[in-house]
Amino acid sequence: DVKVTQSSRYLVKRTGEKVFLECVQDMDHENMFWYRQDPGLGLRLIYFSYDVKMKEKGDIPEGYSVSREKKERFSLILESASTNQTSMYLCASSWPGEHYNEQFFGPGTRLTVL
Amino acid sequence: KQEVTQIPAALSVPEGENLVLNCSFTDSAIYNLQWFRQDPGKGLTSLLLIQSSQREQTSGRLNASLDKSSGRSTLYIAASQPGDSATYLCAVRRRTSYDKVIFGPGTSLSVIP
Repeated sequence: DVKVTQSSRYLVKRTGEKVFLECVQDMDHENMFWYRQDPGLGLRLIYFSYDVKMKEKGDIPEGYSVSREKKERFSLILESASTNQTSMYLCASSWPGEHYNEQFFGPGTRLTVL
Repeated sequence: KQEVTQIPAALSVPEGENLVLNCSFTDSAIYNLQWFRQDPGKGLTSLLLIQSSQREQTSGRLNASLDKSSGRSTLYIAASQPGDSATYLCAVRRRTSYDKVIFGPGTSLSVIP
């Protein structure tokens, strides 16, 4: 079974803090993704990575950065957390290409910024 | 621009009923469509993946169909159970080089014992 894990289920941070969200997958997937999910707005893609050290901006990258130094690990960084970044953050991974590229999700991190 | 909608937004049915959830997308140029289940406060669990060349996929009591030309997919759940209560999301993978996926807003299902 594919396993995607996220470092924290719940996180509370203060405005201005630097926040790291970690995601690890064990299926040797090339693609990894970070989404945020908000009521009424659904899932929105923040960043994704299609290989080590490769990244692409998603639909809402402002205020975020990412790091992928190893294939299995994809980190989301909030350089200076703000209250509007309070959200559920979901990590996913998949194979690349046209076929058999089912996305597998982690359990999510509920981040609250005070 | 690809847009994905799901109808209804919420559904409540008595246990044992068969039900259909709908997903519509505006651009038929997709690689595949995936159905997910999400329990409150949890991540997404993949249910079924339909490739663009396929018409349907089945897993247990679940059957998903795809009509690419009309931009529609349905998820059929047979003999619903209270444990099926969750939010169901569909997502389409666009034909771009970035493997990006567009999600629908979800249908919240409640199965009443």
